[in-house]
Amino acid sequence: QQQVKQSPQSLIVQKGGISIINCAYENTAFDYFPWYQQFPGKGPALLIAIRPDVSEKKEGRFTISFNKSAKQFSLHIMDSQPGDSATYFCAASTRNDMRFGAGTRLTVKP
Amino acid sequence: DAGITQSPRHKVTETGTPVTLRCHQTENHRYMYWYRQDPGHGLRLIHYSYGVKDTDKGEVSDGYSVSRSKTEDFLLTLESATSSQTSVYFCATATSGGAGREQYFGPGTRLTVT
Repeated sequence: QQQVKQSPQSLIVQKGGISIINCAYENTAFDYFPWYQQFPGKGPALLIAIRPDVSEKKEGRFTISFNKSAKQFSLHIMDSQPGDSATYFCAASTRNDMRFGAGTRLTVKP
Repeated sequence: DAGITQSPRHKVTETGTPVTLRCHQTENHRYMYWYRQDPGHGLRLIHYSYGVKDTDKGEVSDGYSVSRSKTEDFLLTLESATSSQTSVYFCATATSGGAGREQYFGPGTRLTVT
């Protein structure tokens, strides 16, 4: 049973558009919600992360929106660029356990 | 990937043979993790270590064992490889299991069990 559900599986966006990836979790013990970016042949790399005491966190073109009551969080990529084309994973973590979503393959068309 | 290496990077082995994957870090991070990545499942935690000789099971630990005799090395062993263990394996490290909790991932090992 997947504890973190991620959608969509794949996403195609035009250059300059907004990419939105959604995640939902079940375990209310999760207290750290990172997003990872992975390029082909590479390991995942932390993109941005949020804790449940804030509703939004922005770093450059990347924003996490967090809805604690709905147990949902999302990644928004503004002004999407072809270099953003990668697979994105949301995750939810307790102290010693991190559960990942299944991933979203983002393609940004020039 | 800086500071974390995995070896081998690719391996093909036969069903029933033992396999050991190695993760080496130069970051002096206390926490180390082994994940497997499969299509449709994201990354799933196999085992983790919170210090030398201190390890615990993760979500998908059956068929795997680990050892950590030094801070910098974390070994993953498949005692008798099966085709269901064909996957890409990632090692990760973290400075803390508490606040912060950022994990740094290695480049991965692609394992094929025939």
